[in-house]
Amino acid sequence: DIQMTQSPSSLSASVGDRVTITCRASQSIITYLNWYQQKPGKAPKLLIFGASFLQSGVPSRFSGSGSGTDFTLTISGLQPEDFATYYCQQSYNTPYTFGQGTKVEIK
Amino acid sequence: EVQLVESGGGLVQPGGSLRLSCAASGFIFSGYSLNWVRQAPGKGLEWLAYISSSISTIYYADSVKGRFTISRDDAKDSLYLEMNSLRDDDTAVYYCARGRGSNGYNFDSWGQGTLVTVSS
Repeated sequence: DIQMTQSPSSLSASVGDRVTITCRASQSIITYLNWYQQKPGKAPKLLIFGASFLQSGVPSRFSGSGSGTDFTLTISGLQPEDFATYYCQQSYNTPYTFGQGTKVEIK
Repeated sequence: EVQLVESGGGLVQPGGSLRLSCAASGFIFSGYSLNWVRQAPGKGLEWLAYISSSISTIYYADSVKGRFTISRDDAKDSLYLEMNSLRDDDTAVYYCARGRGSNGYNFDSWGQGTLVTVSS
């Protein structure tokens, strides 16, 4: 199975900050990498697919990059509604494994 | 609007069985693959099972293989998860998620989840 490791596990940031979350795969997954946002008590929401493609309706302050084993999710100008937990997921092969999550909290 | 609505969760004893359903609307159900994903209390996301649009391909996570069965009824626009030999560590919120093959494969729509509690 492909292991997905996110860092950090949590971070504190202020509104307006630029936030970067990293995700590392245990083997190359090319660009088969997705990012999801989850708020407490809610279902996950797709933000980024194919490592860098923005899902329809997602604000442009979210961006993704990377290929191979190393990926990043960047939020440029954190907004109050962005405080949530973020998960990366590989879709290179099954099982479609997720990272452990990064919780973005208010500083 | 795409909608996925799970049902069937509840309290079940260890060793028991439960059948989850996911009712879909707002899209051509038969044209999409589907997945089940779960989240234990306070934990991360775990993919469990995949079923292709033609039902020709099914995959399971090792943690549920042999105990859970994914199925679909395109005539009813519904996805199912039959869960047998339930254990305490199967306690989780179970989500159905629509799969989309665009620049890779991703889960572009999710249901609200249904809680399964395995406890004596």
